[in-house]
Amino acid sequence: QPQLQESGPGLVKPSETLYLACTVAGGSVSSSTYYWGWIRQPPGKGLEWIGSIYYDGSTYYNPSLKSRVTVSEDTSQNQFSLYLDSVTAADTAVYYCVRQAGEVLGGHWFDPWGRGTLVIVSS
Amino acid sequence: EIVLTQSPGTLSLSPGERATLSCRASQSVSNRYLAWYQQKPGQAPRLLIYGASRGATGIPDRFSGSGSGTDFTLTINRLEPEDFAVYYCQQYGDSPYTFGQGTKLEIK
Repeated sequence: QPQLQESGPGLVKPSETLYLACTVAGGSVSSSTYYWGWIRQPPGKGLEWIGSIYYDGSTYYNPSLKSRVTVSEDTSQNQFSLYLDSVTAADTAVYYCVRQAGEVLGGHWFDPWGRGTLVIVSS
Repeated sequence: EIVLTQSPGTLSLSPGERATLSCRASQSVSNRYLAWYQQKPGQAPRLLIYGASRGATGIPDRFSGSGSGTDFTLTINRLEPEDFAVYYCQQYGDSPYTFGQGTKLEIK
């Protein structure tokens, strides 16, 4: 199993852009077997899939966030990143990066998960 | 989008008992594309089951999944103290991928 580690600011001001990176160890973001994605969890609440990227650069987003989200990858660093524009307090959450199974494995479950990083949106 | 409703919201049981958790979908989940996760406080979710009934690597066989269409079940036999946690179902048959609101399994 690869290990995933999120990094980025823990505090973002309203209306600014949230940026997080996920570094993958023991696996490759260039693999055609998997996608790489982001999921968030507001404090005390449930889980929301944000979006994913495939090795060829194709991206898939939750329509509820699509207008504000960009997921990108840096194969040279074996990383992928999340950009969320125009954040508000409602975007305060623990953000997890995940490996997502691809079609060759028979579906799109999420395993493993990073440990998560809390991002607070506040002035 | 497919809405998943989990029941009960909270389940109170004792170690050694069997837990039965339900996940109902607002429309049929294609190909039994449903997963279950366990989340303990302060930790990331961990995959337990995928494909409705296939155990993830390293998951004890007391965890089992069943169901198809709109009704799915996670069963935990002979509850161990470490099994008390929150459990989420997730469908990946249709984008956007969605999760249930969770069932909290607590010690009675």
